Amino acid sequence: GDSVTQTEGQVALSEEDFLTIHCNYSASGYPALFWYVQYPGEGPQFLFRASRDKEKGSSRGFEATYDKGTTSFHLRKASVQESDSAVYYCALGPHRGSALGRLHFGAGTQLIVIP
Amino acid sequence: NAGVIQTPRHKVTGKGQEATLWCEPISGHSAVFWYRQTIVQGLEFLTYFRNQAPIDDSGMPKERFSAQMPNQSHSTLKIQSTQPQDSAVYLCASSLAGQGNERLFFGHGTKLSVL
Repeated sequence: GDSVTQTEGQVALSEEDFLTIHCNYSASGYPALFWYVQYPGEGPQFLFRASRDKEKGSSRGFEATYDKGTTSFHLRKASVQESDSAVYYCALGPHRGSALGRLHFGAGTQLIVIP
Repeated sequence: NAGVIQTPRHKVTGKGQEATLWCEPISGHSAVFWYRQTIVQGLEFLTYFRNQAPIDDSGMPKERFSAQMPNQSHSTLKIQSTQPQDSAVYLCASSLAGQGNERLFFGHGTKLSVL
C-alpha cells in the first residue's frame, strides 16, 4: 500500500544551520505530496504541497522538490531559527484523479534548534 | 474564521465508559476527517465524510468506534466502552472538497485519557 518514510526521528541543529529532513514515498502514479508542521498543543499546519514531478513547493523559507525518480520530497531550509523547533510531517495524498481525499502521514521528525 | 473547533480539549474517562468527541469544521468546507495521534503509532487516519456522507472508514476500529456527521456544521466521534489503549489525541480536520490534493485544516485536537 501507499506509505511515507521519514528516516530521521529527531534532528538537532544550531541557529543558522542548514536543515534537511528526508522523506521518501511508495505509491503508484503521481500522488500529491505535502509537508505539515506541528507545534506543541496544536494540530498539524499545512506548510506546502507539490503535485507534479520536479515541482517545488515552498513556504516560510522551507522548500522541497517533488522527485519521481527517487520517490522523494526532502524538506530543506537554508538557515533555521529557534522558532522553527517543531515536529515536521511528510504526507502523501492519493494519486492524481482519485476521488479519495485521505492523507498518509510519515512518522514525523522532531526538529530542535538550539539558540 | 475561527478554524476547526474541537471540543472538549481534554477528556478523562474511566475504563468501560463512553466518550463522544465533537468537531465543527470550517464554514464552507464540505469534507471532514478524523485522525488519531499517539507517540507509538503517529498520525493514523480513521475516517472521513464528504457532504456529510461517509466516504472512507478504512481506519476505524471495527468495534466500539463510530463517527457521524448529522449536518454540515458538526461531526462526532463516539467510542463505546473505552479502553486504556484508546488514550490518544483525536484530531479533526476539514477541507474544501475532500480531494486528494487539498490542504487539510486541523483543529487543536481532543486529548482522551482512559484511566
